[in-house]
Amino acid sequence: GAGVSQSPSNKVTEKGKDVELRCDPISGHTALYWYRQRLGQGLEFLIYFQGNSAPDKSGLPSDRFSAERTGESVSTLTIQRTQQEDSAVYLCASSARWNTGELFFGEGSRLTVL
Amino acid sequence: AQTVTQSQPEMSVQEAETVTLSCTYDTSESNYYLFWYKQPPSRQMILVIRQEAYKQQNATENRFSVNFQKAAKSFSLKISDSQLGDTAMYFCAFEAGGGADGLTFGKGTHLIIQP
Repeated sequence: GAGVSQSPSNKVTEKGKDVELRCDPISGHTALYWYRQRLGQGLEFLIYFQGNSAPDKSGLPSDRFSAERTGESVSTLTIQRTQQEDSAVYLCASSARWNTGELFFGEGSRLTVL
Repeated sequence: AQTVTQSQPEMSVQEAETVTLSCTYDTSESNYYLFWYKQPPSRQMILVIRQEAYKQQNATENRFSVNFQKAAKSFSLKISDSQLGDTAMYFCAFEAGGGADGLTFGKGTHLIIQP
């Protein structure tokens, strides 16, 4: 596709359930990022994939959070046993390695945990 | 580790005025990049302007320009002839050269352009 695609756009879940968020980066982009943005707040780094290198997981807030990426394609962010404080917009972005720093963002997945 | 600080949570100006958003950063890197991103109410982040640290000339993109003060580690964004469509959250971001660590964002400034 032409841009970064995220699904679902909105997700409402009950506390304790697992959720999976999906990101389709721009074709050919080797770098992929997940950020969390709470209401009215800035972007909180979660995880970063760069090509076939080991991902930088330093931003994951707890072991309930995990993410995978197959090669240089789709990534999924999984949150297990969701808590109310997990409610946020989860933004995915990709970039081409040769064009350092210009991130192309998806529209995000808004997660609401009741 | 890098830090990016935006000290203005919210700013409001009249349409057609010029506004400056401030950003400071802290790093021990010598080679890096700085960015301003815009996030309108639609939620999608858009790159506004970028600056390579090794370039002395300030970057300019139409009505948007930066004042990059490397020694002071300051990177402000100036918006000239502001328009209603400029209303958005603006995030300053830093990336070390090579991009190995990804981008670090500030907490953002909510800019409101009043008619």
